Amino acid sequence: DSGVTQTPKHLITATGQRVTLRCSPRSGDLSVYWYQQSLDQGLQFLIQYYNGEERAKGNILERFSAQQFPDLHSELNLSSLELGDSALYFCASSVQGGWGTDTQYFGPGTRLTVL
Amino acid sequence: GENVEQHPSTLSVQEGDSAVIKCTYSDSASNYFPWYKQELGKRPQLIIDIRSNVGEKKDQRIAVTLNKTAKHFSLHITETQPEDSAVYFCAAIPRGANNLFFGTGTRLTVIP
Repeated sequence: DSGVTQTPKHLITATGQRVTLRCSPRSGDLSVYWYQQSLDQGLQFLIQYYNGEERAKGNILERFSAQQFPDLHSELNLSSLELGDSALYFCASSVQGGWGTDTQYFGPGTRLTVL
Repeated sequence: GENVEQHPSTLSVQEGDSAVIKCTYSDSASNYFPWYKQELGKRPQLIIDIRSNVGEKKDQRIAVTLNKTAKHFSLHITETQPEDSAVYFCAAIPRGANNLFFGTGTRLTVIP
């Protein structure tokens, strides 16, 4: 168990809908990362937050947004959902958020199915 | 941006044999190379990593080697066991970039 928690575990919704995925980092970690894992695209980095501020942006669609709250938990919002958004969404956390200097620990993931 | 290629996509070995997975990267400025293991239905777990100022790193039965000239790095697993069966992902981070680029994964099956 990495100490990173994600809810919900599974989510089934319809095209056009909006969902929110939640992540709580390990105690003491200031940085949160979001990743998408799909059969088509493999593992992709979406976005990183550090202590409430956006720090890095990867291949995140405009329909997706995220934020990190004062208690350091993060939420990933996915809107106008399409079939291709069906994937496993992982959150990871690290202490300082340094790329290449800080180990990232992954949560168990949220499996999103868009019907 | 960085492009990471990973080979082979599937690998089957007999228990006790060694397994080698190779990744190549395109950005010569990449300086951090983690390897993740993902068991079926589970999260990726960091198993070993190497930085560009080191040529080799070992942790028990696992080792990673880095060849900066050829821009490739490899994961070596010795004395494989059934619990090593999983999908392994390599990744690279270019210096100065804030992004982790993953390889496409290798499904390793260890046959008892």
